[in-house]
Parts: sequence; C-alpha cells; structure tokens
Amino acid sequence: NAGVMQNPRHLVRRRGQEARLRCSPMKGHSHVYWYRQLPEEGLKFMVYLQKENIIDESGMPKERFSAEFPKEGPSILRIQQVVRGDSAAYFCASSPRPPGGTEAFFGQGTRLTVV
Amino acid sequence: DQQVKQNSPSLSVQEGRISILNCDYTNSMFDYFLWYKKYPAEGPTFLISISSIKDKNEDGRFTVFLNKSAKHLSLHIVPSQPGDSAVYFCAASAKYYGQNFVFGPGTRLSVLP
Repeated sequence: NAGVMQNPRHLVRRRGQEARLRCSPMKGHSHVYWYRQLPEEGLKFMVYLQKENIIDESGMPKERFSAEFPKEGPSILRIQQVVRGDSAAYFCASSPRPPGGTEAFFGQGTRLTVV
Repeated sequence: DQQVKQNSPSLSVQEGRISILNCDYTNSMFDYFLWYKKYPAEGPTFLISISSIKDKNEDGRFTVFLNKSAKHLSLHIVPSQPGDSAVYFCAASAKYYGQNFVFGPGTRLSVLP
C-alpha cells in the first residue's frame, strides 16, 4: 500500500493519559500535515512539518499538543493529558512538494475517543 | 476568519442529473484549488484540482471551474451517481503565502436514486 498510513485507526484514552498518533507519508513525500475534524465540523489545520522541521504550527493548541517528523520514521502527533474535548478524528496528509501547485493525499485517520 | 467558504451545508440531486458544488475564497494570494470527497469514517480523497492560471479543468465526470475575479470556484459532477453521495471539501493553497492547505467546511451531497 503506497498511500498515507495512519495508526492506530481507533484510540481510546482516559482523561489525563497521553495519546500518540502516527503517520507514515506516501513514498517520496517529505511534507506532512495534520488536521483535526470534530464531529459535524470541517477539517481544521493543525501543523505542517517537513523532515525534522516544523514549518507552520499556527493551528496547534498552545498547550499539551506537539508534533514531530524525525529523519527516520513516521510523523508523530502527541497529545498530553487528554481531555474529553480532544475526542475527534485526526487526519494526516502528505505531499511531494510544499503547498501551492501540488496535491495533498490523506490517510484514513485516527479516531481518538477520550473517556 | 474563514478564508474558504462553502455556503451550502447540504445538496440533494437526482441520479443522472448535474451536481454543482460551490466554493468562495477571500484570500487573493491563493493560487491552487482542490476538491476532496469524504465518506464517513474514511480519510478525504483527492478528486480534482485547478491552478489559478486556468479557468477550467476536467477529469471524467468531474469539472472544476474557477472565476478569479469573483473568487469563486465550482465543482460539476455529470451525471451524478448514488456513489457520489459524500461530503465534498474545497481547499486552497498559495505558493508564496501561508504554508498549508486551507479547507472549507464541506457540503454534504446526496444523490437520490
């Protein structure tokens, strides 16, 4: 499967625990984006990373959320001390070039449920 | 400040007829526009895109029209099929402004048999 791979597909965490969401981009893609979709809402941009660098994190909450895209391995979205409001679908996308003149391809998403 | 707008939350169309989904944007720096289709519990799937240097792009049953002066684009699906029932997202990006793809809120299309 050459598409964007996200895991796990479903994640249940208790309030106060940590959630780690993984994203492996398409082969040859070095640009990764994370989006969040709350129930009945659209896709909200969170962060854009390019291998080892955070390019734009203007959509990331200031606290508890962090993202990385190491030289080797998948991109990780980390949510510390989860709260019920963090329950959402988190989508990762990748592109071969920066935005503007290229398409981004999405993974199947991780559905986080905080109980 | 919603930079990409899809003012129709939902649309119902009869099978075989044309579906027209609309999208407006406010940022004149956007120069690339995309449409995605999303089924429940799945990730968005890329459908078709258009550069700001064009006013039309066609791919099979899908055609996207861009009116730069009006900052408006539309997706036409002809003929519509029941399998087209999904949420459609319009997105925009800019090569020299901002660093991400900006999405509209989506339009839920229902194609009735």
